[in-house]
Amino acid sequence: QVQLVQSGAEIKKPGASVKVSCQTSGYSFTVYDINWVRQATGQGLEWMGWMNPNTGSTDYPQKFQGRVTMTFNASITTAYLELSGLTSDDTAVYYCARIYDFWGASDFWGQGTLVTVSS
Amino acid sequence: DIQMTQSPSTLSASVGDRVTIICRASQSISTYLNWYQQKPGKAPNLLIYAASSLQSGVPSRFSGSGSGTDFTLTISSLQPEDFATYYCQQTYGYPRTFGQGTKVDVK
Repeated sequence: QVQLVQSGAEIKKPGASVKVSCQTSGYSFTVYDINWVRQATGQGLEWMGWMNPNTGSTDYPQKFQGRVTMTFNASITTAYLELSGLTSDDTAVYYCARIYDFWGASDFWGQGTLVTVSS
Repeated sequence: DIQMTQSPSTLSASVGDRVTIICRASQSISTYLNWYQQKPGKAPNLLIYAASSLQSGVPSRFSGSGSGTDFTLTISSLQPEDFATYYCQQTYGYPRTFGQGTKVDVK
């Protein structure tokens, strides 16, 4: 069965970087794109970008450009999100999600990784 | 950016009620509209994609409609497990954007 399993919670200081992993299984890793979405406590969903694990192509919203990097290691079917220059506003649960098809919907999601930014 | 606006923000309903949630896009997005359900502490769950296509495994009481700028998610008969927050998302343009969410709670 399709599974996306994310790395554990992180506590970071302001200005630091964080790297979240998303280990996938149960499907062909390079066939499906990956979204990253975050959610601050009590808030809505925020799209952080998209990655093609076959070509390495990415697209990031302007808000995150220069701070976010999405990468992958196909040999271990794992995707990564790295966010630098952390502030308290980056405290959130970060989700990876498989993009289902042409319509761009996400059908399988990781369990989420809580990143807390605090001095 | 394409802005997605959901209404209402909160909806109080009872088991068995017919529930309708509206999502409006700031420009035409054809049918590139998806609906997700999210329960506290859990990842979102895809309900509807392409505005009206029911995701595999999702109960048939959920349905979606609309095209262009106006969309609806309908729950034909609300069940206890349907109390949750619902989000629409457009996948027509970049950046992908979500509505602010609609919380369905107990009346």
